[in-house]
Amino acid sequence: DQQVKQNSPSLSVQEGRISILNCDYTNSMFDYFLWYKKYPAEGPTFLISISSIKDKNEDGRFTVFLNKSAKHLSLHIVPSQPGDSAVYFCAASSTYFGNEKLTFGTGTRLTIIP
Amino acid sequence: DSGVTQTPKHLITATGQRVTLRCSPRSGDLSVYWYQQSLDQGLQFLIQYYNGEERAKGNILERFSAQQFPDLHSELNLSSLELGDSALYFCASSGRLAGVGTDTQYFGPGTRLTVL
Repeated sequence: DQQVKQNSPSLSVQEGRISILNCDYTNSMFDYFLWYKKYPAEGPTFLISISSIKDKNEDGRFTVFLNKSAKHLSLHIVPSQPGDSAVYFCAASSTYFGNEKLTFGTGTRLTIIP
Repeated sequence: DSGVTQTPKHLITATGQRVTLRCSPRSGDLSVYWYQQSLDQGLQFLIQYYNGEERAKGNILERFSAQQFPDLHSELNLSSLELGDSALYFCASSGRLAGVGTDTQYFGPGTRLTVL
């Protein structure tokens, strides 16, 4: 049962344009969401997070939007740069579970075209 | 550099064997997590330790076990290895528990296990 889904395995975007990565979840108990970026041969690197009490969080070029009613979140990168080419994972956790485990999506490979 | 270290980087072994993966968390972090990433899959949570005690268990096979030592480093033991155990194994660490304040998990570079 895939509780966190990233339905686009890959995405290509021109340099300078906006990249939008999407993530859907099914468990309404999730109340904290994160995006991680992963380069080959490296571990995932934390990018940005959002609590369910917010609908938007911004950090520089990265903005995460949360739509709780639709159980959907998205990561916007603007402007996109070649160094943004990586695999992006969406993850979720819940303070109700009594632990801090993360449930990950399967990832979206973002390629920025110069 | 996340501050989380994992050894070894690569491990090649045969079916039926036993291996131990090691993780040192970031300085001051009390929680250690283990995740498995198989080919083209997301990261699957295996187990979490907090300050030496098991805190949460995911879909960890009975052939796998873990522990966290007093110096807070952790080891993941995989035994009776099968071909399907070939994967990337990541360790992550964090400082606080949920509810005390949101915290981020920082990941190590992973150990790539190949079972032949």
